[in-house]
Amino acid sequence: AQSVAQPEDQVNVAEGNPLTVKCTYSVSGNPYLFWYVQYPNRGLQFLLKYITGDNLVKGSYGFEAEFNKSQTSFHLKKPSALVSDSALYFCAVRVDPLHKANQAGTALIFGKGTTLSVSS
Amino acid sequence: KAGVTQTPRYLIKTRGQQVTLSCSPISGHRSVSWYQQTPGQGLQFLFEYFSETQRNKGNFPGRFSGRQFSNSRSEMNVSTLELGDSALYLCASSPGMRESNQPQHFGDGTRLSIL
Repeated sequence: AQSVAQPEDQVNVAEGNPLTVKCTYSVSGNPYLFWYVQYPNRGLQFLLKYITGDNLVKGSYGFEAEFNKSQTSFHLKKPSALVSDSALYFCAVRVDPLHKANQAGTALIFGKGTTLSVSS
Repeated sequence: KAGVTQTPRYLIKTRGQQVTLSCSPISGHRSVSWYQQTPGQGLQFLFEYFSETQRNKGNFPGRFSGRQFSNSRSEMNVSTLELGDSALYLCASSPGMRESNQPQHFGDGTRLSIL
């Protein structure tokens, strides 16, 4: 079965320090991977995606993510955290629609989410 | 370009009632998906519509249903409401079924509370 795991419920980091939010996945075929952020009482905002190509992808607000196929991971990173980065972060995977085991569609499978808290 | 619009933002219902939620996708987007977000279960996929047809469905009971109109706007309906249906319901749109490499864009959701 397809799944996404975010092993940490909460990540705490001091402002100015680097941050990492972890994500691992399990899918049939090639994964299409996404990171989203959610602020209180709001919907999800798209940060970045990995479809193919360079393993390091850059996204909005200075975030980047590293795709590691051998470890089936897609960790979100930022070199210097801001207090305003404090929010709920979701990793998501979309299955490869060309793989025989998968059904075509755009639906996402989400991890449980990781709360990032950046202290000043 | 306007984003995904969901109405209403908040709803309070009682057990046994039914409710209809509305979603207007980004202009030009033809695929609409619905998700339920709860503290315990996280984000769970409900269903996806494209060209007025349900294309994919998550593991939810038949009390949850939806439809899509010719202008791509979508509604979801929940009948015989239960306390456990209290959640944030999120709608997301994307260009279409073939654009699998494109992200879904989410609305701010409808917060449904069941008393």
